[in-house]
Formats: sequence, C-alpha cells, structure tokens
Amino acid sequence: DAMVIQNPRYQVTQFGKPVTLSCSQTLNHNVMYWYQQKSSQAPKLLFHYYDKDFNNEADTPDNFQSRRPNTSFCFLDIRSPGLGDAAMYLCATSLTQGANQPQHFGDGTRLSIL
Amino acid sequence: AQSVAQPEDQVNVAEGNPLTVKCTYSVSGNPYLFWYVQYPNRGLQFLLKYITGDNLVKGSYGFEAEFNKSQTSFHLKKPSALVSDSALYFCAVRDRVNTGFQKLVFGTGTRLLVSP
Repeated sequence: DAMVIQNPRYQVTQFGKPVTLSCSQTLNHNVMYWYQQKSSQAPKLLFHYYDKDFNNEADTPDNFQSRRPNTSFCFLDIRSPGLGDAAMYLCATSLTQGANQPQHFGDGTRLSIL
Repeated sequence: AQSVAQPEDQVNVAEGNPLTVKCTYSVSGNPYLFWYVQYPNRGLQFLLKYITGDNLVKGSYGFEAEFNKSQTSFHLKKPSALVSDSALYFCAVRDRVNTGFQKLVFGTGTRLLVSP
C-alpha cells in the first residue's frame, strides 16, 4: 500500500543535542509537510516543500530546518532541541498544493527531550 | 483570515446511537472543508472533504458531513456509533483561492468517546 512512513516512531534526545527525524513516501506526491503537534492540540505547520521549493512558516523557529533530497524523502532537523520542542512531529504529503487536495499523514515521531 | 471552531472538547455517545461532532468555519471566500480522525499515537487519517456540489458528503467508515453555507457549518455525523470510533476528530478549512499556497487551518479537535 502506498503510504507515508516516519522513522523512528519514538525518539529521545538530550537538551541541545541535534536530532533528525525522517519521512518517506511511496505516493509520489509533490508536496511534503512537517507539522508539530503538542498534547492532542491541533497540528501546527512548520514548513512544506513543493518539489524542491522550501516554504517556511513565518513563526517557525530558526532551530528547525528541513531537507528534501529527493521526491520520496524529507528530513526534519532540530539543531538545538529545547524542552519546549518535545512533541509529536507529523509528516504529511499531498499530490499538489491545490487547496482541494487532502493531506496524507504518517504516524508521527514522538520526540522526548531529556 | 480563515478559522475553524469546534465548540465541544468532548462528545459522549452510547454505542449504536447517532453521533454529531460540530464544526463552524470562517473564510473570506468559499471554503474547502475537511474532517480528519486521529487515534492514539497515530497520525491524522483523512475522512472526507467538501469541495463543491452536494451538501451531504459521504466519507470513510460510515461517516458523513453536511455543508451548510448559511450557518457556515460542516458537522460530522454517523447514524450508529461504534466503540472503535472513539478518537480525536479535527475539522479543517482552506480558502478557495486561485493563487498562492493556502495552509490547512485546523480546529482545536473534539474527543469522541463511545461507550459500550
């Protein structure tokens, strides 16, 4: 089945130690998104890629970076995680940026900061 | 700016009874509306969307939603609830614009609890 896969499902890192979360998709979708979700709150969009074009949300901290080396893979890098960055990180895809396109989510990576 | 309101933090319903999860929206133009469900420690799953046409939209797992333009609502419904429907439900909206990227705006979520 075509899907969005996030690894690892659970990640523990130390305060200030860089961490990378990964996402892959077999849907061949053009757009990939990264969301942060805290404590059953609504997901908050951090940034998205349309093909190779990177689009950062205005309120996303500089501490968060992303890479998309090819269509299938996208990475979220947190350069110096703080305690406030503990959250579920969700990757999603959509075929295009069109407003009528549903997004397809992975199962997330739950990040804990020690 | 677009926004979504889900007025109920939690909805409780007995198995076999009909359920409704409420959603109202605000957009400057016309909306695209979505419902997603999230089970514990899982990502969001797409249930259904309203794009245009018939105001009653049918989706996955027996869910449906009714678009009401005059009331700016898009309530999620199911005729007979199952215990397995217990989850967190998010309504989301995008403005129908011709240019530029429109991010998906989510409501705060409604926890549905179906009791046996």
